[in-house]
Amino acid sequence: DVKVTQSSRYLVKRTGEKVFLECVQDMDHENMFWYRQDPGLGLRLIYFSYDVKMKEKGDIPEGYSVSREKKERFSLILESASTNQTSMYLCASIGWGNTEAFFGQGTRLTVV
Amino acid sequence: AQTVTQSQPEMSVQEAETVTLSCTYDTSESDYYLFWYKQPPSRQMILVIRQEAYKQQNATENRFSVNFQKAAKSFSLKISDSQLGDAAMYFCAYTRSGGGADGLTFGKGTHLIIQP
Repeated sequence: DVKVTQSSRYLVKRTGEKVFLECVQDMDHENMFWYRQDPGLGLRLIYFSYDVKMKEKGDIPEGYSVSREKKERFSLILESASTNQTSMYLCASIGWGNTEAFFGQGTRLTVV
Repeated sequence: AQTVTQSQPEMSVQEAETVTLSCTYDTSESDYYLFWYKQPPSRQMILVIRQEAYKQQNATENRFSVNFQKAAKSFSLKISDSQLGDAAMYFCAYTRSGGGADGLTFGKGTHLIIQP
């Protein structure tokens, strides 16, 4: 089975902290994505990557950055966490030539 | 840019009854894919059904079926014989053809409640 694993299920951080959310997939997928999920807003794309060291901005990249040093790992970075970044974060991967996205279980981040 | 609209924030249905969730989308592409994903309280996103735009036949997976109207850009999900385990958030999603590199565009979701 395809597995996408997010490092934390719940996370509480303080305002101004640098936060790393990690995502690892075990199916050699080229494409990886970070979404943010908020009630009433659905899933919104923050950043995505189609290859190692490659990254593209999604719809809401402000306040975030990403890193993809290895094919299986895609990290989302909050340089200076703010309370408006309190949200659910979902990582997903898609194999080349495919369309089905496989998701991690999400990280519920609270910034206090 | 592509957009996906789900106009029903919440739906409620009696167990064993049939319910239809609505989704419309906007795209200038002619070849694309549409999806319905289910997100139960466990938060794990689960693919329910997929439709390829070039296929006229509506996709079906057991109790789940879609009504795909390409000209109207409509993609509704019908759940027959609703079960308590169907209670979840349902998201309609779109991606254009070409390898999935762009990711999926999602609607805002419909919260489905199953009344016992």
